[in-house]
Amino acid sequence: NAGVTQTPKFQVLKTGQSMTLQCAQDMNHNSMYWYRQDPGMGLRLIYYSASEGTTDKGEVPNGYNVSRLNKREFSLRLESAAPSQTSVYFCASSEARLAGLTYEQYFGPGTRLTVT
Amino acid sequence: EDKVVQSPLSLVVHEGDTVTLNCSYEVTNFRSLLWYKQEKKAPTFLFMLTSSGIEKKSGRLSSILDKKELSSILNITATQTGDSAIYLCAYDNYGQNFVFGPGTRLSVLP
Repeated sequence: NAGVTQTPKFQVLKTGQSMTLQCAQDMNHNSMYWYRQDPGMGLRLIYYSASEGTTDKGEVPNGYNVSRLNKREFSLRLESAAPSQTSVYFCASSEARLAGLTYEQYFGPGTRLTVT
Repeated sequence: EDKVVQSPLSLVVHEGDTVTLNCSYEVTNFRSLLWYKQEKKAPTFLFMLTSSGIEKKSGRLSSILDKKELSSILNITATQTGDSAIYLCAYDNYGQNFVFGPGTRLSVLP
């Protein structure tokens, strides 16, 4: 049981390049999330997918796009990378948040992205 | 704007000390508050709190929520070097997402 996996672990991009971060979970969770973590800022939500076929913007969506490929996979794309997107990116998943219940999130190991 | 404040932002203690980490929130809707521990990589879940005054406990760690004061504390007794980590609190605002605080960086010295 791998939980939440992310690829790649590290990436260096030049300004203007594009790339896709991949995330997969094997816990049969309905909801998936992409966060970025910057020093002193905690985790900030970029996009989330409440269920297969739906995606919504979070707190900091500008410069990113997402695709919920199927129930297991949720990718994050940077179309034209900028130095401000240098960060650690975490994918997470959870049970569907229904009927007033909260479920904890399970996080992947993160991708450290540097944009020069 | 909803936000979460944690204090202190950084803390250095020696093994055996007891620490109290604070989390306060300003939210429009509140459903629950969660604590996570982040070592080198991914945050891992510690506690979920939904009701005031009910302590959650796991070994040397415990946490309690005060809805009247819009705050929560995380206590760690008899700290060990393995407790060194960033401790994050987050709340569920009835939306489809969670709002995280900046974290408290705890360093436990031998």
